Order: sequence, then C-alpha cells, then structure tokens
Amino acid sequence: QVQLQESGPGLLKPSQTLSLTCTVSGESINSGHYSWSWIRQSAGKGLEWIGRIYTHGNTNYNPSLKSRVTMSVDTSKNQFSLKLTSVIAADTAVYFCARGSPPWFWGQGALVTVSS
Amino acid sequence: AIQLTQSPSSLSASVGDRVTISCRASQDIRNDLGWYQQKPGKAPKLLIFDASSLQSGVPSRFSGSGSGTDFTLTISTVQSEDFATYYCLQDNNYPWTFGQGTKVEIK
Repeated sequence: QVQLQESGPGLLKPSQTLSLTCTVSGESINSGHYSWSWIRQSAGKGLEWIGRIYTHGNTNYNPSLKSRVTMSVDTSKNQFSLKLTSVIAADTAVYFCARGSPPWFWGQGALVTVSS
Repeated sequence: AIQLTQSPSSLSASVGDRVTISCRASQDIRNDLGWYQQKPGKAPKLLIFDASSLQSGVPSRFSGSGSGTDFTLTISTVQSEDFATYYCLQDNNYPWTFGQGTKVEIK
C-alpha cells in the first residue's frame, strides 16, 4: 500500500520560502502514469489545489499561485517537492501531498505557519 | 476558475436518515467530479470519482449522480461514522477547485 509523508519546516517568517517534500513509500513514484499534487487547507479559504507534477516533469499550477510556485520530482529518492516563495500570513495552512486524478492517496498533512 | 457551490453548508441528521448534498458548477464539467469525506485532523478521503463511480473500499450506502453542472452525493442510511465534512472537487479544468464543504452533524 502506497503511503505519502510530508516534511519540512513548520514555521516561517514573511518573505521566506516554503519548502516541503513528499516522500512516497510502498511503491516506486515511477510506477503508473500518476500525477502528484499539492493541496492546502486553511481556515479562511478551505481546500485549495496548488498544482501537480508528473514524474516526466510536466506541471500544472494554480494561476493564483503560479508566480511563486515550483514543483519538482526526485525519482532517485522517491520524492516530490513544493517551493513557494515570498510567503505571507495567508499562506498559513495545512499542506497535503496526494496522488492521482482526482487525488485518492493523501499524506497526513503538514502544518505550516507564517508569522513574524 | 470554475466555482463549485455546495448546499447546504451544514445539516443535522439522525442515524438511519437519508442525506443528500448538492454541488453546482459554474460551467459544464461533464462528469469530472469527485466527492470527499474529511474528519477533523485527517486528510480528505475520496468516496466517489467521475461523478458516480464508487472508490474501492467505500461502503455502498454512498452514491453520486449528476453531470454537466449539477451533482449530488447521497448517503442512503447515514451511520455514526459518516458524521464529517464533505467536499466536491472538479478536475475538468485547471485550476482544480473544491466546493466550500458541507458539515454533516448528529441531530
């Protein structure tokens, strides 16, 4: 059974860069033609899809975040990653990684707080 | 972006009741709609994909219907473990978007 686990700093200051990694276990990230998504959930905006990446590198980003988002895949480590630059308080959320379209395997989520 | 509007925002039900949740899209999304259940502190769990296909392992009391712009999630006989928040998601058009959620509470 595949499992996903988010990791990264939980507290950031405004203007810093959020960096999260999702480690996939239980199978190779290359197995199957899946997309790998990042989704966040905040009290103010509910669930928000950030974007997705395929293992061959193709990406789709939410236009509302596109100027600040970069996703990447490291197949050798069975991981994919999210970078969000110039964070503000409104980026405070639980960040989930997930597999599929629509996403059906999810990580447990990682709380990221942006505060000075 | 496509907007998904769920109704109601919350509802109260007793065990054994039939529960229906609506999700309306701002434009035609064919059948590219999923339904999720989320409990506090947990990730959303996919119940229904392609508007009406039951995800593996999900009890058959859950069903989905609709296409185009109007969709429905039905719980035929609600159980105690079904009290949670439910979300719809469209993956027809970028960016994927979620409904605002429907909280199902115990009456």
